[in-house]
Amino acid sequence: GQSLEQPSEVTAVEGAIVQINCTYQTSGFYGLSWYQQHDGGAPTFLSYNALDGLEETGRFSSFLSRSDSYGYLLLQELQMKDSASYFCASFTGGFKTIFGAGTRLFVKA
Amino acid sequence: DTEVTQTPKHLVMGMTNKKSLKCEQHMGHRAMYWYKQKAKKPPELMFVYSYEKLSINESVPSRFSPECPNSSLLNLHLHALQPEDSALYLCASSQESTGTGVHEQYFGPGTRLTVT
Repeated sequence: GQSLEQPSEVTAVEGAIVQINCTYQTSGFYGLSWYQQHDGGAPTFLSYNALDGLEETGRFSSFLSRSDSYGYLLLQELQMKDSASYFCASFTGGFKTIFGAGTRLFVKA
Repeated sequence: DTEVTQTPKHLVMGMTNKKSLKCEQHMGHRAMYWYKQKAKKPPELMFVYSYEKLSINESVPSRFSPECPNSSLLNLHLHALQPEDSALYLCASSQESTGTGVHEQYFGPGTRLTVT
């Protein structure tokens, strides 16, 4: 089967660091993407890891371990505007992307 | 221009109606997608067009009919829908045309569809 597991909710305070984990079980795995979606908005691409290791883009970093079928999104210096849903997504090739159920991040003042 | 536009933003239709959703992108992307998203759920892939040809149909009921008139436009024709089809319909596009490499999808704002 094809599945991606991530926590349903995470709460953190402004200025803190938060890590959202994702474990996947998909066939034909090419890479792991992360998307952010605010309530009522469209998903926005954050990062993509095809190879093992850490990718850094500003306050956001993403990590992939293919051997562990595991990845995470790291958000630093949290801001209130980071409150949103975050989806990990497995790209299985042939344009097919499978999304995890999403993690709702609540940032408190 | 990194924008994907969708019209209409909201649509209410009866079960006997025929309507169409439209999507447009001017980023030169050659892959375009339709997703369905229910509240508090992830996007679910419905269709993928690559170079204006249907590449993926995720066993979507025939009451949903996609069309790609050219590389910039994507339509979704709706007919005889059911109330359970009420959802946010998202269009997306991507530059990656061979199915490998970095896979970044640009999403439109969606059409919120209500079937009565």
